[in-house]
Amino acid sequence: SQQGEEDPQALSIQEGENATMNCSYKTSINNLQWYRQNSGRGLVHLILIRSNEREKHSGRLRVTLDTSKKSSSLLITASRAADTASYFCAVISSGSARQLTFGSGTQLTVLP
Amino acid sequence: DGGITQSPKYLFRKEGQNVTLSCEQNLNHDAMYWYRQDPGQGLRLIYYSQIVNDFQKGDIAEGYSVSREKKESFPLTVTSAQKNPTAFYLCASSIEASGGIDNEQFFGPGTRLTVL
Repeated sequence: SQQGEEDPQALSIQEGENATMNCSYKTSINNLQWYRQNSGRGLVHLILIRSNEREKHSGRLRVTLDTSKKSSSLLITASRAADTASYFCAVISSGSARQLTFGSGTQLTVLP
Repeated sequence: DGGITQSPKYLFRKEGQNVTLSCEQNLNHDAMYWYRQDPGQGLRLIYYSQIVNDFQKGDIAEGYSVSREKKESFPLTVTSAQKNPTAFYLCASSIEASGGIDNEQFFGPGTRLTVL
């Protein structure tokens, strides 16, 4: 089964509001990454947070990681219509495997 | 989509036919990956390659084959043994697989395969 599971599956907000998406995973990880996918396109890397980090910022993005709860959140502040996309978390598990395991994603719709 | 190209963008296949999806990168990345994405789902790893002439099965390798004869190229063949091949296929690369666990993956634009 997939490691990362996003919540909610779909989120609809007004432009200017903040959007929060959550991700839970099952095993120990080396890092957790967030990606964005516009409809019918490839994925774009947004941010990476290591297992020994608790919070990271990049522009309007804020990512938190709670390894005790095996969860992460992605906050997009002051959302724009152009933020409309699917957002995926992906983890690299501890151990010898270096594979990214993706969750099923959150579909974010920002209404103008 | 960076320096990764996938072709074709759309591909139609008749049942029983093999088909090859192209993936090329000019980023000088060591590692390359193939994922499958079904509607409303996340990505599932088919195959990955950390170095030329070497590749490993991912979670759903059955019915697929790959080759890595050149650093820049990682073609995926969908064989007739794949029972449900209709999906969106994404290729990705990263700068260094071994020891590079913090490396992000760069994705191509994808190929949408439809079996008629």
